[in-house]
Amino acid sequence: KAGVTQTPRYLIKTRGQQVTLSCSPISGHRSVSWYQQTPGQGLQFLFEYFSETQRNKGNFPGRFSGRQFSNSRSEMNVSTLELGDSALYLCASSFGNNYGYTFGSGTRLTVV
Amino acid sequence: KQEVTQIPAALSVPEGENLVLNCSFTDSAIYNLQWFRQDPGKGLTSLLLIQSSQREQTSGRLNASLDKSSGRSTLYIAASQPGDSATYLCALHTGGFKTIFGAGTRLFVKA
Repeated sequence: KAGVTQTPRYLIKTRGQQVTLSCSPISGHRSVSWYQQTPGQGLQFLFEYFSETQRNKGNFPGRFSGRQFSNSRSEMNVSTLELGDSALYLCASSFGNNYGYTFGSGTRLTVV
Repeated sequence: KQEVTQIPAALSVPEGENLVLNCSFTDSAIYNLQWFRQDPGKGLTSLLLIQSSQREQTSGRLNASLDKSSGRSTLYIAASQPGDSATYLCALHTGGFKTIFGAGTRLFVKA
C-alpha cells in the first residue's frame, strides 16, 4: 500500500517567487492536512481539506493557500516568498477523525 | 484553548535503559492521541494511536497510556537501543478538524 507522497522533496527559491507543493494521500483517505515545521516554531498547522473543502485553517498570512482535487490530491501554494518561509512542509492524510494521521516525507523549501 | 506540553525537552540515556516520555494536555475533549517519532529532516512516523475510550496501546517495546482525567499520556520505551534516537512527538486529534502537536522530546540513546 503506497504511503503519502510529497513532491518535490527539495526546493530552492528566491525571495518574491511563488512555489507549489504537492501531496498525494493514501488511497481512500479523503482528509489532507498541511504543516510547516521550523526549528524555532515546531509544527504549525496550515490547513486541512476534506472532499475538496477546506475545513480549518491555521494562523498564516493569505500568501499561503491550498486546494484539494476530486482524487484527494492536494496542493499548497506560497506566493511572494520570504526568507522566513524556509521550512520543512509536511502533509498528512487520514481516513477520518478516529484513524490518526499518516505523514509524508516532507518538502524541504529553502528561500534565498 | 488546548495546550500540549512534552517533558522533558531532551533526554540522554545509556543503551538498555527503560524510559518514559510525558505528554500533558489541558482539554480532555479529544478524539484520540497519537505518538510519532521523527528522525532529523524526515517526516513523522506513527508509533501508536490511542482512542479516547482506550487506556493504553502496545507495539513491541513501546507502550502508550492515556489518562484523560489527568490530561496526561506517557510513552514507555523498554530496553532502549541507539536506533531509538529521534524526536518523539505527541499529537492530539480534537474537534474542529485540527490536530495539536507537542514540541517533542529529543531522545539520544548512547551505545
